[in-house]
Amino acid sequence: DVKVTQSSRYLVKRTGEKVFLECVQDMDHENMFWYRQDPGLGLRLIYFSYDVKMKEKGDIPEGYSVSREKKERFSLILESASTNQTSMYLCASSQTLNTGELFFGEGSRLTVL
Amino acid sequence: GQNIDQPTEMTATEGAIVQINCTYQTSGFNGLFWYQQHAGEAPTFLSYNVLDGLEEKGRFSSFLSRSKGYSYLLLKELQMKDSASYLCAVNQAGTALIFGKGTTLSVSS
Repeated sequence: DVKVTQSSRYLVKRTGEKVFLECVQDMDHENMFWYRQDPGLGLRLIYFSYDVKMKEKGDIPEGYSVSREKKERFSLILESASTNQTSMYLCASSQTLNTGELFFGEGSRLTVL
Repeated sequence: GQNIDQPTEMTATEGAIVQINCTYQTSGFNGLFWYQQHAGEAPTFLSYNVLDGLEEKGRFSSFLSRSKGYSYLLLKELQMKDSASYLCAVNQAGTALIFGKGTTLSVSS
């Protein structure tokens, strides 16, 4: 079974702090994704990566950056957290970009005070 | 750009049949996914349609009409455990899945 593991289920940070959200997958998938999920807005794509060191912006990349130094790990970075980044963050991976089923992690609920 | 619409909420009773519709406008269409998400949990894959027609998988079926930009998820013999959000997601060539806002289904006894 595919396993996508997000390092923290719950985080509380202060405005202006740098925040790292880590995601690891164990099925050698090429593609990894970061979404955020908010009530009434659904899942929105922040960034995705189709290979090591490669990244593409999604619909809402502002205020975020990502890092993919190893195939199994995809990190989401909030350089200076703001209250409007309080959300549920979901990491996912897939074998193929265009037709591949996404496998999601359990999510990281971030609260920025 | 892309636009994906689905109803916000639906209610149904145990044993009934419910159809959740999804309409989309997108370029470079490359398939449509349905995911189920229970409260507090991660989304899980239900179905994938890339060709027109109906795909049946047990109590769940999914239909696609590419010419109409339309899909539906059909749930039969509803059970309480089917209470969840159902997410329609469109695959555009060369990019990641784009999701609709989701439909919250409440099943009552």
